[in-house]
Amino acid sequence: GAVVSQHPSRVICKSGTSVKIECRSLDFQATTMFWYRQFPKQSLMLMATSNEGSKATYEQGVEKDKFLINHASLTLSTLTVTSAHPEDSSFYICSARDSGGYSYEQYFGPGTRLTVT
Amino acid sequence: DAKTTQPPSMDCAEGRAANLPCNHSTISGNEYVYWYRQIHSQGPQYIIHGLKNNETNEMASLIITEDRKSSTLILPHATLRDTAVYYCIVPRARAGGTSYGKLTFGQGTILTVHP
Repeated sequence: GAVVSQHPSRVICKSGTSVKIECRSLDFQATTMFWYRQFPKQSLMLMATSNEGSKATYEQGVEKDKFLINHASLTLSTLTVTSAHPEDSSFYICSARDSGGYSYEQYFGPGTRLTVT
Repeated sequence: DAKTTQPPSMDCAEGRAANLPCNHSTISGNEYVYWYRQIHSQGPQYIIHGLKNNETNEMASLIITEDRKSSTLILPHATLRDTAVYYCIVPRARAGGTSYGKLTFGQGTILTVHP
């Protein structure tokens, strides 16, 4: 149980285009999902907290107009990187918190590797 | 989150126990210790968490000192597949709000299991 999927696993896009990444909780409901970014040889950095039915909460320094987050259902959150640039190339990882589980027990997706050319 | 200190790297022989330490001297009475790991190029994986009693599950054991200022994650019989970065996290206890459930990942400990 407690499986989180991400799609796509890899994406290459041209500079200036937008890319959407999906995060799904497959066997549980997640009122809260989190989006992280990880650069090579660095730790995960939380970008935003996504709550079902409400606006996402972004961490300091993360541009909300560039990284659009939508959490329209209890099993799906999406991250759209708008007008992507090469510096947005990174490993994007989502996680979901089981609504009925422990507060800080999160289940992570396999990640999406974004390359912007 | 409460500050945690972990060694940057550790080695372990396959089949032996891997003991990963974590210091969290500023932990508050109602804050839990969580452990996650990240295998290369994958999303992190929850391992275990505890408050003050020792905990064990199918993956690992967690030993928390009586004063709760440090803990040790034990992988009883390490395999090559356990090679990963291990993160010890002590989330600040929050009653709710938009930051509820947030995790802050530090640099963790790179555990390398050798044949």
